[in-house]
Formats: sequence, C-alpha cells, structure tokens
Amino acid sequence: GAGVSQSPRYKVTKRGQDVTLRCDPISSHATLYWYQQALGQGPEFLTYFNYEAQPDKSGLPSDRFSAERPEGSISTLTIQRTEQRDSAMYRCASSLGTSGDTQYFGPGTRLTVL
Amino acid sequence: AQSVTQLDSQVPVFEEAPVELRCNYSSSVSVYLFWYVQYPNQGLQLLLKYLSGSTLVKSINGFEAEFNKSQTSFHLRKPSVHISDTAEYFCAVGGSGNTGKLIFGQGTTLQVKP
Repeated sequence: GAGVSQSPRYKVTKRGQDVTLRCDPISSHATLYWYQQALGQGPEFLTYFNYEAQPDKSGLPSDRFSAERPEGSISTLTIQRTEQRDSAMYRCASSLGTSGDTQYFGPGTRLTVL
Repeated sequence: AQSVTQLDSQVPVFEEAPVELRCNYSSSVSVYLFWYVQYPNQGLQLLLKYLSGSTLVKSINGFEAEFNKSQTSFHLRKPSVHISDTAEYFCAVGGSGNTGKLIFGQGTTLQVKP
C-alpha cells in the first residue's frame, strides 16, 4: 500500500476484555515494529518481525501481550484481559530492512481501557 | 543498554527566530541517530538521520543535526523557524545488534509563536 495503516484508530474497552489491533505495512517492507506510547512519553519498543519470524519480543510488558504476522504481511497485536495501565497509543512501523533503515509509522491506535 | 534524553519538554520560540532542540544519548555500541517529527493529528515522520560519514546531516525543510561522539549528543537546529514547524520532535537511537529497534526520548514540543 501507499503507507502504513492501522485499525481501529480508536478503541475503548472495559477492563478484562481482550482487544486485537491490526497493522498493514508498506507492501515491500520485510520488517514490522510495534511500539507503545503513553501520554507525554516517547514510543517504547514492544516487538518486531522480519517477515513472519519474531526475533525479538523483549519489550512486551507481560504474557497478556502477543503479536503475530503469519504470512509476513499484516500483523496483529492482541492484549488479553486488558488493564487500565494498558491505555496508550499503539504504533506500528515498517521498514525495508532492519538496523539503520527508515521506519515508516502508521497513524496509531488509541486504546482506552475503562 | 541504550537510552536517550531530551532535555527540554517544551520549547517556545517566536517565528523567524533560531531554535535548538537538545538530545543526548548513551550507548556502549556504535549508534545510528534519528529525529522524528509528529505534527498535530498525524503519525511520526522521519526528519533526518545519521548513520555514518559526515557528522552534519540536514533535512529538506531547513533543519540540521550534528552527531557529536565525544559529547554523545545529536542536537537539532534550525536558523529560522516557521509557524508550520510547530510539532513534537522525538530523538531516537538505534544500532544495537541487528534488530533495528529504536529507543526514543520523551519528546520536545516546539511551539512557534507569531
């Protein structure tokens, strides 16, 4: 596609519910990143994919968070049993390769957990 | 471990005045350095980056940043700002291993006043 897209743009959910966020990267890009951005802070790395492989998920805050990219294109981030502290902007980015390559960011999904 | 510190959370400046947004980093390995900009209601966009070679890098809209290894800094400067430069600016460091993950600072809001 022309750019990175994310859906939904806004998600409001109740504590304890599961949510799934979607990222559609630029079609030629091998690498996909997920970041979490709390209000007033910079983005924090969660995980990344190289095609369908997930070499680094060190930034996932707990085992309630998981991500997948089964066909090396679209990715989903799932948060199980959401908690209020999960409220944040979730940003997806894609790049051609890894280290040093420009990351192109999507518009983000604003998650609010009530 | 890598980290980034942006020393100013907000920088107010009058139109056509010069500006400097400060960024310091820490890293035990060679780094790549980035400045991203977020305009109101938009996603993050790359402004400029340093990978290697000349320590002075420039963007197409008049910003420049200089990599200073001895001071572990990558300050962003513009000699004359416009109202349209009002945005949040994030400094980021990458380059640890081959993951490509970025470590962001907390951001600096540049407020350009008429």
